[in-house]
Amino acid sequence: GENVEQHPSTLSVQEGDSAVIKCTYSDSASNYFPWYKQELGKRPQLIIDIRSNVGEKKDQRIAVTLNKTAKHFSLHITETQPEDSAVYFCAATSGYSSASKIIFGSGTRLSIRP
Amino acid sequence: NAGVTQTPKFQVLKTGQSMTLQCAQDMNHEYMSWYRQDPGMGLRLIHYSVGAGITDQGEVPNGYNVSRSTTEDFPLRLLSAAPSQTSVYFCASSSARTGKNYGYTFGSGTRLTVV
Repeated sequence: GENVEQHPSTLSVQEGDSAVIKCTYSDSASNYFPWYKQELGKRPQLIIDIRSNVGEKKDQRIAVTLNKTAKHFSLHITETQPEDSAVYFCAATSGYSSASKIIFGSGTRLSIRP
Repeated sequence: NAGVTQTPKFQVLKTGQSMTLQCAQDMNHEYMSWYRQDPGMGLRLIHYSVGAGITDQGEVPNGYNVSRSTTEDFPLRLLSAAPSQTSVYFCASSSARTGKNYGYTFGSGTRLTVV
């Protein structure tokens, strides 16, 4: 089955700087890669996703890149702000339907220093 | 439109007791899943369903049962609670019919403690 590895487990950046979180996946059949943000004590919420037929996707300050050959994908947050502090999870699908069985990485705790 | 509703929000069980965590969604989503979240281990998939009457095991299914008799409901049953099942449980739903957004919508979670 699918295995998703995520690095780093913790990340601290100065406010205004960029943050990058990297993930690798094992199943070459995976075709959908969402990213979730979880604030303390709250539920995970989808912030951006990418499908395997796209190499890069951007939404304001966040962007995701996908390298299918190397089986890795990354989240980029530019001009970080205090409200970006949270745990971020990458994920990949390994089921016969793209949204049915999503496997998560272990998470990255992002802290923004003022 | 309430989204994904989980009950109860908090529960304390004694070892060996059984219980059912409830999950309901009102978005007509065909996909539903249960995850458990432990510190430092992210979200691990317990069971998932691609439609009414169809369920399958995820990464950590032992000790849990599920059924999907309707599109709306996906209860998770703990057969004989163990301290290792102390965790936060999230139910989530999604649909391939929603167009651009295929990602899961999560419920607010159930914090379970087994003593």
